[in-house]
Amino acid sequence: DAGITQSPRHKVTETGTPVTLRCHQTENHRYMYWYRQDPGHGLRLIHYSYGVKDTDKGEVSDGYSVSRSKTEDFLLTLESATSSQTSVYFCAISAQAQETQYFGPGTRLLVL
Amino acid sequence: GNSVTQMEGPVTLSEEAFLTINCTYTATGYPSLFWYVQYPGEGLQLLLKATKADDKGSNKGFEATYRKETTSFHLEKGSVQVSDSAVYFCALGPTNFGNEKLTFGTGTRLTIIP
Repeated sequence: DAGITQSPRHKVTETGTPVTLRCHQTENHRYMYWYRQDPGHGLRLIHYSYGVKDTDKGEVSDGYSVSRSKTEDFLLTLESATSSQTSVYFCAISAQAQETQYFGPGTRLLVL
Repeated sequence: GNSVTQMEGPVTLSEEAFLTINCTYTATGYPSLFWYVQYPGEGLQLLLKATKADDKGSNKGFEATYRKETTSFHLEKGSVQVSDSAVYFCALGPTNFGNEKLTFGTGTRLTIIP
């Protein structure tokens, strides 16, 4: 299994509070991704990174920011959490853009 | 833009039945195609992939063939088991620089009854 961990695995927070999710990899892969999974939508890309300090938006980036200061860590921040951001968040990594993506175990976030 | 249309679920089958989950795609260029599987409470795992037309991906008894002429990548298994119960996602790989992401279908929930 690819070495990907996500923390926390579960979180409950209140509307309006900032939340940061962490993805950590031990594979030294260049690309890292954040997705959210919601019923009826499959997985939707929030942001991705193609190197340290190099990030780009995905299809549902509003209300989210990311940072990657080290190869192994990719942080997702909800600047002011809303109930619509209640979801399961998955991190993924790949060595190159065209190659297989490997997924972490997910973080279940509930915004009350 | 790129898109994936996947068979609606849920699908319920008896053990040892034949499985087909349909997947068609729209893409510019020649993307790789993937099937991912998600077991309850877990993240997605790669099930199989194909990188060019006419390639057949296979794993754990599952197969899918990259059909460029019909833009399809249907997942098949000859005899399903209870342990195959999961959600299956078809995905389209990146096709060009600046579009460096997977495009997923909405997923098909499969339940196998003993």
